[in-house]
Amino acid sequence: SQQGEEDPQALSIQEGENATMNCSYKTSINNLQWYRQNSGRGLVHLILIRSNEREKHSGRLRVTLDTSKKSSSLLITASRAADTASYFCATAARASSYKLIFGSGTRLLVRP
Amino acid sequence: DTGVSQNPRHKITKRGQNVTFRCDPISEHNRLYWYRQTLGQGPEFLTYFQNEAQLEKSRLLSDRFSAERPKGSFSTLEIQRTEQGDSAMYLCASSSPGSQPNEQFFGPGTRLTVL
Repeated sequence: SQQGEEDPQALSIQEGENATMNCSYKTSINNLQWYRQNSGRGLVHLILIRSNEREKHSGRLRVTLDTSKKSSSLLITASRAADTASYFCATAARASSYKLIFGSGTRLLVRP
Repeated sequence: DTGVSQNPRHKITKRGQNVTFRCDPISEHNRLYWYRQTLGQGPEFLTYFQNEAQLEKSRLLSDRFSAERPKGSFSTLEIQRTEQGDSAMYLCASSSPGSQPNEQFFGPGTRLTVL
């Protein structure tokens, strides 16, 4: 069963705008990761944030983690048409950290 | 290309046939994972290898599914007597013991269509 749930399920924005996606999860975690998937393709690892970190940046990406609320957010700034993809959060449970549990994803459309 | 590779990329088969997929992980990655992804959903864990040892199998992996990693390098996933419900994208990933816990690198996937 899915542990994480992304919100919103779908998001449509204009090129240049910022996109924010949220993820909630249920159990204690070691870390949380965000992946991108272009239509019908494999997943690309974007960023990993550890449970003792609150915020992390990578280029135009900013990820926050609130372990008290069991939630994370991914912000993409100055979006581009090439950012159009599905975005998934994935968690690794403490008890079995080799296994990733994915949410159902946010489908982002960036209109040129 | 030193990423994870999967073959074939697409497979169309008739119900009842057997199919086999192959995954070549990133060189020297000792952990290898199989996931299944249906349309509109996130990937779901199927099984995991550390070297040649299969350490966990999901309940999703019915008796018709078998995965192997005989020499601790490439892996195969076989589905026997395929059913229409097996239609999905099958994703393989690998990770290194030296990487962040669970930082997995995914291949392009094999899309299976069962007619």
